Amino acid sequence: DIQLTQSPSFLSASVGDRVTITCRASLGISTYLAWYQQKPGKAPKLLISGASTLQSGVPSRFSGSGSGTEFTLTISSLQPEDFATYYCQQLNNYPLFSFGPGTKVDFK
Amino acid sequence: EVQLVESGGGLVQPGGSLRLSCAASGFTFNSYAMTWVRQAPGKGLEWVSSTSADGVRAYYADSVKGRFTTSRDNSKNTFYLQMDSLRAEDTAIFYCAKDMSARILTGYLDFWGQGTLVTVSS
Repeated sequence: DIQLTQSPSFLSASVGDRVTITCRASLGISTYLAWYQQKPGKAPKLLISGASTLQSGVPSRFSGSGSGTEFTLTISSLQPEDFATYYCQQLNNYPLFSFGPGTKVDFK
Repeated sequence: EVQLVESGGGLVQPGGSLRLSCAASGFTFNSYAMTWVRQAPGKGLEWVSSTSADGVRAYYADSVKGRFTTSRDNSKNTFYLQMDSLRAEDTAIFYCAKDMSARILTGYLDFWGQGTLVTVSS
């Protein structure tokens, strides 16, 4: 099985900050990686597929990069509506798709 | 507008059974694979199962294999999760989600329902 780790687990930031979240896979997964955003009491929302493809309607301040075993999600200028938990998901170990443990982004 | 509405959650005793439903609208249901994802209280997301658009192929996480079964009725635009031999550790919000791509299972989930809570307790 492919294991995903995310760092940090928890991040305190302020509006306007540049935020970077890292997802690492235990085995190479090419670019078969997604990022989701989940706000409290809500369903997750797909932000990025294929490691770097921004979904329609997602603000351009979000970006994803990486391949193989290391990936990053960057928010270039954190906005109030971005405070949430972010999950990566690997899709290389088809069809056993697994999620990372999550990174909570909270107010500093 | 794509809508996914889960139902069927509730309180069930350990060892019991429950069937969840996911009613879909706003897209050509029989063209898309569907997935169940769960989230235990205060915990992260766990992929549970995915089913092909035609319902022929279904895949399960090891944690539920042999106990959970997915199915779909494309004539009713509804996706199901039959859960048997339930355990306390199955307590979670269960979400159904639509695959991003038509006709193939990619695992990228572009629309999600709001979830239904399953509580397994005596």
